[in-house]
Amino acid sequence: DTAVSQTPKYLVTQMGNDKSIKCEQNLGHDTMYWYKQDSKKFLKIMFSYNNKELIINETVPNRFSPKSPDKAHLNLHINSLELGDSAVYFCASSQIDEQFFGPGTRLTVL
Amino acid sequence: AQSVSQHNHHVILSEAASLELGCNYSYGGTVNLFWYVQYPGQHLQLLLKYFSGDPLVKGIKGFEAEFIKSKFSFNLRKPSVQWSDTAEYFCAVNTNTGNQFYFGTGTSLTVIP
Repeated sequence: DTAVSQTPKYLVTQMGNDKSIKCEQNLGHDTMYWYKQDSKKFLKIMFSYNNKELIINETVPNRFSPKSPDKAHLNLHINSLELGDSAVYFCASSQIDEQFFGPGTRLTVL
Repeated sequence: AQSVSQHNHHVILSEAASLELGCNYSYGGTVNLFWYVQYPGQHLQLLLKYFSGDPLVKGIKGFEAEFIKSKFSFNLRKPSVQWSDTAEYFCAVNTNTGNQFYFGTGTSLTVIP
């Protein structure tokens, strides 16, 4: 009964490809997030969705697009992958008082 | 804009040493405060949180944090660290006006057996 799940756990791909990462939460939370964690462990907010409306977009390149088919899912689609996109991507969900994080997806772009 | 500062980027301690990690935030209104831990290769997990009441908060694994409003600080402490405490520690702030969480840059703690 994982609270926040992500697939895949590892993703290795070539530059220029398009890929998606899926995220699902079973907590009934209204808000979901995507974070990028680089090799220095800096955690950068990318997007958040509240009731299917985008409410944060921290100057992320438009190659990244979040898609939320329903309140329990927030998928991340990335077009034309670049070397600098290599990182660990974490999905999270919250209900104001706490964020719950998914296990992360380690993306490696070759 | 709100921000969270963690001044200790890397901390190395021997087992049984005491730990204090600094966290300061910039926001004039009411905040909720959090400390998260990320063990090697794992995701972030909540250590403790403060919303209101007693400014000294006790969390899991013997950690505690003290909210000092006048200093805009929420420092994390543990009287005696263990090798298993080796991890990244993130301070975070959430304003009660919305669902935005602001994270510090993290502190890498290494505990030497």
